[in-house]
Amino acid sequence: DTAVSQTPKYLVTQMGNDKSIKCEQNLGHDTMYWYKQDSKKFLKIMFSYNNKELIINETVPNRFSPKSPDKAHLNLHINSLELGDSAVYFCASSQGVQANYGYTFGSGTRLTVV
Amino acid sequence: AQTVTQSQPEMSVQEAETVTLSCTYDTSESDYYLFWYKQPPSRQMILVIRQEAYKQQNATENRFSVNFQKAAKSFSLKISDSQLGDAAMYFCAYRSDTSGTYKYIFGTGTRLKVLA
Repeated sequence: DTAVSQTPKYLVTQMGNDKSIKCEQNLGHDTMYWYKQDSKKFLKIMFSYNNKELIINETVPNRFSPKSPDKAHLNLHINSLELGDSAVYFCASSQGVQANYGYTFGSGTRLTVV
Repeated sequence: AQTVTQSQPEMSVQEAETVTLSCTYDTSESDYYLFWYKQPPSRQMILVIRQEAYKQQNATENRFSVNFQKAAKSFSLKISDSQLGDAAMYFCAYRSDTSGTYKYIFGTGTRLKVLA
């Protein structure tokens, strides 16, 4: 059983399109995250939700909109995709907002905008 | 603001040998957590080891151990008896606490190559 699963694993799309990435965790965690890893492998947090409530919203273009229908799911919708959005997007979860015991990551979604 | 620095973009180690990956961080907090994550070519980020700053004892997980020097703000990862499967990107992470908002700050990573 995959603990944190993201779909799709790969996404190739044209500039200007709208796309969504889905994430689900079956660990019973109450906090979920979206991280972006750029071409230089740098990881930066985008959003965090705790029990469906947005608690971290970093400086991200408002074309990116997360949605958490319940504490086991966190989706990421991206409008009007741009070339610079090409990256690997990781979903992660933790028990508690303090995440003292680390994150469990999904396997990432490689988004390529052409 | 907290920062995490990994000064070695790439390291190589012979199979069965020992290698140490460096990580330094900058913080004014006294209580925090530090982590090492491994990212193999499969892309999956895997937690290798964690350290609680209030504990003086260095964390150990099988062949992986850390050298935590709180005063020097240093958190290096030692891999003993290196195996081919250890080849990966390794990320050091600091869990920051800004007014009750917690997030991980990652270093830029060290690519470890294991030579047969």
